[in-house]
Amino acid sequence: KAGVTQTPRYLIKTRGQQVTLSCSPISGHRSVSWYQQTPGQGLQFLFEYFSETQRNKGNFPGRFSGRQFSNSRSEMNVSTLELGDSALYLCASSLNWDRGPGNTIYFGEGSWLTVV
Amino acid sequence: DQQVKQNSPSLSVQEGRISILNCDYTNSMFDYFLWYKKYPAEGPTFLISISSIKDKNEDGRFTVFLNKSAKHLSLHIVPSQPGDSAVYFCAASVRDDKIIFGKGTRLHILP
Repeated sequence: KAGVTQTPRYLIKTRGQQVTLSCSPISGHRSVSWYQQTPGQGLQFLFEYFSETQRNKGNFPGRFSGRQFSNSRSEMNVSTLELGDSALYLCASSLNWDRGPGNTIYFGEGSWLTVV
Repeated sequence: DQQVKQNSPSLSVQEGRISILNCDYTNSMFDYFLWYKKYPAEGPTFLISISSIKDKNEDGRFTVFLNKSAKHLSLHIVPSQPGDSAVYFCAASVRDDKIIFGKGTRLHILP
């Protein structure tokens, strides 16, 4: 079955602009999480959605927002882009929000955002 | 505050030998731990997990050990193969809460 699909894969934006990234989870998965990866910082949790509701939120400014649609697809938006927002943005999906064996979290290949 | 720490940014191991990747955590409430592997230009892929009620979990060449008193877990890869060269992320969560990742350790398998 198809994996987690993220679009676009690569994009370049200018400071002050806004960007929307899209994520299609694995079919049947209802939980979607977003992470930011920057060099030397690992994967930093942005937010998690389940059944169109935000369940968890990381420590990012309000410029970072997300939503989930009824078909479980998710989008994240970053407004007023800063140079420091340049990163790999990863989306992950799982069947539900339960943590444990049997609910493996699968990642997409990510969207590379460069802010110039 | 960094709740999951991977103190070795990189590690080099001879092919065929054992690779041991270490991870420390500070939150004693964590009850589920995972290891992910990441190749360049790809998303992380799940390797192995362990719940806090166990101290060891094995899957083929991969074994994860959990020492709750020391708040430490380790991933053992035996024997190490060239395809194991990647960045390995340790992660942990409190039940139903967000998953916290470490900064990763880059493993180089030497021929």
